[in-house]
Amino acid sequence: GQSLEQPSEVTAVEGAIVQINCTYQTSGFYGLSWYQQHDGGAPTFLSYNGLDGLEETGRFSSFLSRSDSYGYLLLQELQMKDSASYFCAVKRGDYKLSFGAGTTVTVRA
Amino acid sequence: DGGITQSPKYLFRKEGQNVTLSCEQNLNHDAMYWYRQDPGQGLRLIYYSQIVNDFQKGDIAEGYSVSREKKESFPLTVTSAQKNPTAFYLCASSPLERRNEQFFGPGTRLTVL
Repeated sequence: GQSLEQPSEVTAVEGAIVQINCTYQTSGFYGLSWYQQHDGGAPTFLSYNGLDGLEETGRFSSFLSRSDSYGYLLLQELQMKDSASYFCAVKRGDYKLSFGAGTTVTVRA
Repeated sequence: DGGITQSPKYLFRKEGQNVTLSCEQNLNHDAMYWYRQDPGQGLRLIYYSQIVNDFQKGDIAEGYSVSREKKESFPLTVTSAQKNPTAFYLCASSPLERRNEQFFGPGTRLTVL
């Protein structure tokens, strides 16, 4: 089976940096994705790491270490609009994703 | 505007009734997916389809059925065999050349009374 662990909640102030860790146990690992979901809305794709290392997309970066079965999402220069749930998801094969339970990020003024 | 539409946004049904959730995309994506999300939890894969007239079971397919007769449409039927059907259902699609990225519809919140 698969299991993914990520913190349930993180709170930070505007302008701060937040790191959301994700550890996983799975068979057939292809890569790690991150999605953002605002309350009651559709998840939106943030990033994908197929290889070890850091991927940077604007204020967000994602990291993967396959040997440690570990990845993280880094949110920099936090803004109020970043308040949302963030999910890591393991890609198993070409089409299957297994999602973690999500981390709720609350940004305070 | 290209995108994925799901209708309706809210759906109420009586226990024991089958219900079909609609999912349409005009992104010309080959792959489509159905997920279920329960409060405070991640998404769980119900079914997925790589091409027309073909689909595969996901992790929680019991009590659900799908069809893929057209590239742009992937309806999900929640049958009376599904023990806990009340949930938020999300449809997604992905292009062949970017299968790492899935695009999600707005979801249908199903409540079975």
